[in-house]
Parts: sequence; C-alpha cells; structure tokens
Amino acid sequence: DTAVSQTPKYLVTQMGNDKSIKCEQNLGHDTMYWYKQDSKKFLKIMFSYNNKELIINETVPNRFSPKSPDKAHLNLHINSLELGDSAVYFCASSQDILNTEAFFGQGTRLTVV
Amino acid sequence: KQEVTQIPAALSVPEGENLVLNCSFTDSAIYNLQWFRQDPGKGLTSLLLIQSSQREQTSGRLNASLDKSSGRSTLYIAASQPGDSATYLCAVADSNYQLIWGAGTKLIIKP
Repeated sequence: DTAVSQTPKYLVTQMGNDKSIKCEQNLGHDTMYWYKQDSKKFLKIMFSYNNKELIINETVPNRFSPKSPDKAHLNLHINSLELGDSAVYFCASSQDILNTEAFFGQGTRLTVV
Repeated sequence: KQEVTQIPAALSVPEGENLVLNCSFTDSAIYNLQWFRQDPGKGLTSLLLIQSSQREQTSGRLNASLDKSSGRSTLYIAASQPGDSATYLCAVADSNYQLIWGAGTKLIIKP
C-alpha cells in the first residue's frame, strides 16, 4: 500500500502542451511538497502546502500551478511546456511543516520534446 | 544561503566492508538532517532523521552522526551488502523549514 503515490510515472509530451501530475498521500500528513530534480541530481523545492494552504512558493515560472483540493492531494499543473521543464518531479509529504520526516513518491519523469 | 555538499560523488566497495558517506552544510542553523536513499524507479526512501539537538541516530546497520558546529554529518554503513547499492542523499531542514539537498553519493557494492 503506497504511502505517497504520484501519477503518471512517465510523461512524454510536446512543447506547448499543458499537463498535470497528480499526487496523493494516505499517511494523514498535513504538509505536501513538490520537488524538481535537475540533471545534476539536485532536488529543489518548488512548492509546499500545509493544510491545503500554500506555504512555500519558490521562484518557479507562473506556468507551474499547484492545486490542493484536500490535505491528501497536491497536484501540479504545467502550462505551455518547454524543453527545459524536462526533469524528474517528486511529490513528498511530512506530518507537519517542520519536516519531521519526509516521505517521497516514486517520481514522475517528464520529457518535453 | 545554505549549501549542502556530499563527498564522494561515487563510491565502489566490495561486499562486507564498512563504509562512510559524508555530508557537509554551510549554515549550522538547521532544524534537522535526513539521509535518504534513491533507487531507480522507486523514488526516495527516508533512512534516518537527526534532530538538531541530537548527535546520532541508528537503524540496523546504519548509523548517522551530526556535528552542527562543524557543519558535518556522516552515514556509516556496516557490513555492506549488494542491496545497499543506491544513491544516498543528505538533506537539511533550514530555518524556513525547507529541505536543502546535496547531489548525492552513488554507492555500488560489488558482490
């Protein structure tokens, strides 16, 4: 029973398209995150939601918009995809904003062609 | 600005050896430090979390230490096994509760 699940696992799409990545956690956590892993394997935080409210919004293009319909879900919608958006995106959750312990999804490998 | 560095970038050792992975950070004002392993296709798995007030944590064959004053953490793996092969990532939670990540150490355990 996967604790943090994100779909799809792989996503190949053309430039200019709009796509969404979904994330769900069944741990009862209050805080969820989206990270982007670049080619050098660094993970950088993009967004953080606590109890459905946006807490952290790093400098990412406005084309990226997170949506949290409830505490258990944090979806990432990307408009007008660009080649540079190709990366692995990780969803994560933690019990609270203090990052007591973070649990990660499997990652979504996005390839923009 | 917090920066996290992991050395070495890659490590290959024979099965059965004990080994140490290193993580250093530039700002000692952290809330906690976590070690993760990353397996292809399986995402990230949290291994150990050390609160800023703690000096070490142990789980099975893994032991992580934290020296905030010197900005260092080590992950000690005893009696390594081929199943330990993975990329190990270190992350610190900074004063804004964000996780700042190192680039990881790719570990290969040779049978």
